[in-house]
Amino acid sequence: DIQMTQSPSSLSASVGDRITITCRASQSISFYLNWYQQKPGRAPKVLIYAASSLQSGVPSRFSGSGSGTDYTLTISGLQPEDFATYYCQQSYSLPWTFGQGTKVEVK
Amino acid sequence: QVQLQQSGPGLVKPSQTLSLTCAISGDSVSSNIAAWNWIRQSPSRGLEWLGRTYYRSKWYNDYAGSVKSRITINPDTSKNQFSLQLNSVTPEDTAVYFCARDLAIAASGTRLGFDPWGQGTQVTVSS
Repeated sequence: DIQMTQSPSSLSASVGDRITITCRASQSISFYLNWYQQKPGRAPKVLIYAASSLQSGVPSRFSGSGSGTDYTLTISGLQPEDFATYYCQQSYSLPWTFGQGTKVEVK
Repeated sequence: QVQLQQSGPGLVKPSQTLSLTCAISGDSVSSNIAAWNWIRQSPSRGLEWLGRTYYRSKWYNDYAGSVKSRITINPDTSKNQFSLQLNSVTPEDTAVYFCARDLAIAASGTRLGFDPWGQGTQVTVSS
């Protein structure tokens, strides 16, 4: 199975900040990387698919990049509604696997 | 707009079978570009993909190794839904269970991620 490791596990930030979350796969996943946002009591919501494609309806302050084993999610200009937990997920090979999550908290 | 509506019991006794259903609106369980998945989430295991069913001229299933001997995912074309059965449950199967669709663009091989998701069902395994 492909292991997905996110860093950091949590971070504190303020509204307006630019933040970056990193996801590393245990082997190359060739851009088959998705990012999700989850709020308490809700299902995850896809933000980015195929490493850098923005899901329809997702604000442009969210962006994704990376290749091979290393990928990043960037939020440029953090908004109050962005405080949540973020997960990466590989869709390169079964079983699909997720990172352990990064909780973005208010500083 | 595609929506997934989950149903099923929230409490299951140890050694019994966990059964959940996911009703689809706005899409077809027989779609040739979709796969229909079950995913669970617990504090100890995080988000864990359990398996999927999909139709490509015939029905296919894939299951995670961690549950492969205990899991069945079945489509129901007459009701446009799919189900999860997990046998011989233990307290370690306590989790929030989600159903979710994922789409693949055949021409490019692009996978669009899990979207949408069901509302989630908290399942507790306890006597």
